[in-house]
Amino acid sequence: EIVLTQSPGTLSLSPGERATLSCRASHIVSSSYLAWYQQKPGQAPRLLIYGVSSRATGIPDRFSGSGSWTDFTLTISRLEPEDFAVYYCQQYGSSPITFGQGTRLEIK
Amino acid sequence: QVQLVQSGAEVKKPGSSVKVSCKASGGTFSSYAISWVRQAPGQGLEWMGRIIPMVGIATYAQKFLGRVTFTADKSTSIAYMEVSSLRSEDTAVYYCARDDDLLGFDPWGQGTLVTVSS
Repeated sequence: EIVLTQSPGTLSLSPGERATLSCRASHIVSSSYLAWYQQKPGQAPRLLIYGVSSRATGIPDRFSGSGSWTDFTLTISRLEPEDFAVYYCQQYGSSPITFGQGTRLEIK
Repeated sequence: QVQLVQSGAEVKKPGSSVKVSCKASGGTFSSYAISWVRQAPGQGLEWMGRIIPMVGIATYAQKFLGRVTFTADKSTSIAYMEVSSLRSEDTAVYYCARDDDLLGFDPWGQGTLVTVSS
């Protein structure tokens, strides 16, 4: 099983700042099958990024993904008020599919 | 554009079973898989397994083998997840999601809260 470790656990920033979220895998993620999801309280997760760096339909270009092998990053270039949420990385190239424990992005 | 609509919240006694449905609205399952993910209160996301409705093949995460069953009715585009021998630790929101091999999980159902309490 591939264990995904996200850091930091909580990130406190202000609107307009840049956010950098990390996801480290215990083994190489197969074929770059790494995704990022955003979850707001009381809502289902929403796909932001798939295949490490491809934005899902309707996702603003301030969201970008990068990385390879075992180290991945989600960057939000300029935070908007609606971006404060919990973010999860996921690897879907190997079974079982696994998620990171999440990074909470909170308003400073 | 397909949406996934899940059945409503359930309250169950320990030892009983629950069956949650997930209907594809505005489309069909096509050749996609449906994955099931659960989220205990205040916790993260946990993949339970998946089913390919068109062929009825299911794969289960080791933790849920033997206690969880995925089925699907391709004629109505409804997928089901049944959990038996419920215990308090099964209290969670259960999500279905369309599972694309290349594109990840999108869209997701709205979630179904299952509460296990005596």
